[in-house]
Amino acid sequence: SQQGEEDPQALSIQEGENATMNCSYKTSINNLQWYRQNSGRGLVHLILIRSNEREKHSGRLRVTLDTSKKSSSLLITASRAADTASYFCAINFGNEKLTFGTGTRLTIIP
Amino acid sequence: DGGITQSPKYLFRKEGQNVTLSCEQNLNHDAMYWYRQDPGQGLRLIYYSQIVNDFQKGDIAEGYSVSREKKESFPLTVTSAQKNPTAFYLCASSHGQGGNSPLHFGNGTRLTVT
Repeated sequence: SQQGEEDPQALSIQEGENATMNCSYKTSINNLQWYRQNSGRGLVHLILIRSNEREKHSGRLRVTLDTSKKSSSLLITASRAADTASYFCAINFGNEKLTFGTGTRLTIIP
Repeated sequence: DGGITQSPKYLFRKEGQNVTLSCEQNLNHDAMYWYRQDPGQGLRLIYYSQIVNDFQKGDIAEGYSVSREKKESFPLTVTSAQKNPTAFYLCASSHGQGGNSPLHFGNGTRLTVT
């Protein structure tokens, strides 16, 4: 079925380092979105990137989209303990729905 | 403050009972969604509604029912026909048509059925 595949499944880094997580897919997309989820809470929208865009920034977040490779990356620079969360990509394949990946669990070690 | 309210936060039911999860939004959003989250499986779409009095099945609608009588409200009923109802349920809404706008999520209801 259509779904984003995220890697790594889990990532642990030292505070201050950069964190990169990836999302790959198999068919053409309309847009791709990244969300953060703190444990036991709802998801929070981070960035939406459309299929005709290559890069978007929001504060310490940078998202890239390579439609030729069918992949997107989320980079968090200068990580903080508060960035510890699960991060999900969600893809719109041109219909009315968003399809979520299984997520990357990020742990920032103080 | 605008947002989405899900209640209750925790819900316990005996097997064979129907249970209704509440979702209310004051964002004036047209579209609303119900997702289910199980450990290690991400979010799966149960039902969604683009407009009042209309809704569509998502990927895992069997054993669930919804209604959309008001723009602000989109309750989800987990029926006794749902074989594995224990999960974390998330409600969301969006301003534009589905898939093209960011989703705003509530903080979820954790349902445990024994």
